[in-house]
Amino acid sequence: DIVMTQSPDSLAVSLGERATINCKSSQSVLYSSNNKNYLAWFQQKPGQPPKLLIYWASTRQSWVPDRFSGSGSGTDFTLTISSLQAEDVAVYYCQQYYGTPWTFGQGTKVEIK
Amino acid sequence: QITLKESGPTLVKPTQTLTLTCTFSGFSLSTSGVAVGWIRQPPGKALEWLALISWNDDRRYSPSLKSRLTITKDTSKNQVVLTVTNMDPVDSATYYCARSILPAGVPLDYWGQGTLVTVSS
Repeated sequence: DIVMTQSPDSLAVSLGERATINCKSSQSVLYSSNNKNYLAWFQQKPGQPPKLLIYWASTRQSWVPDRFSGSGSGTDFTLTISSLQAEDVAVYYCQQYYGTPWTFGQGTKVEIK
Repeated sequence: QITLKESGPTLVKPTQTLTLTCTFSGFSLSTSGVAVGWIRQPPGKALEWLALISWNDDRRYSPSLKSRLTITKDTSKNQVVLTVTNMDPVDSATYYCARSILPAGVPLDYWGQGTLVTVSS
């Protein structure tokens, strides 16, 4: 199984400031035939199912504000919220879909400082 | 509009078999590239992927649970069913179903609201 490790486990950021979450996979999730990283980011608010924010490491879903961005390749990835808003308080998960079993990181809780 | 909804028992006894149904609308599991999977989340814990079934009936399972899981589809009813045998209290969790579009590389883009299953005698 590919193990996904996120850091930090939690972070508190002031409104309008940048939040950065890291995700590391135990092996590369870059598919060489199409040069795509099979890495997704999800946002989960309390009492709700997760929502897909980003796939292919950096492609935002249509509904996602552009303050959210994904970057990285191979085994190291980052989710950045450029200017934290109150509605961004949530737990964020990275997930690899390079191969089954699909695996998730342990989650990063983002709060307002 | 794409929707998915999980249904099944909220309480099962240890050793019993859990059967969950995902009923969806707004897409077809006979369309090339479409898949539906199951994910669970124990209270306060992280997400765990369980199984996936694709439009071509390809089935994938979590290796750690493979002996206990079966995923099937009924395309005519727009349903995917997951069975989990020999339930244990550690299997208590919210169980979600979600759609994926595999060739497009879009995983788990629509989710159901989830159903909380408690395993207790």
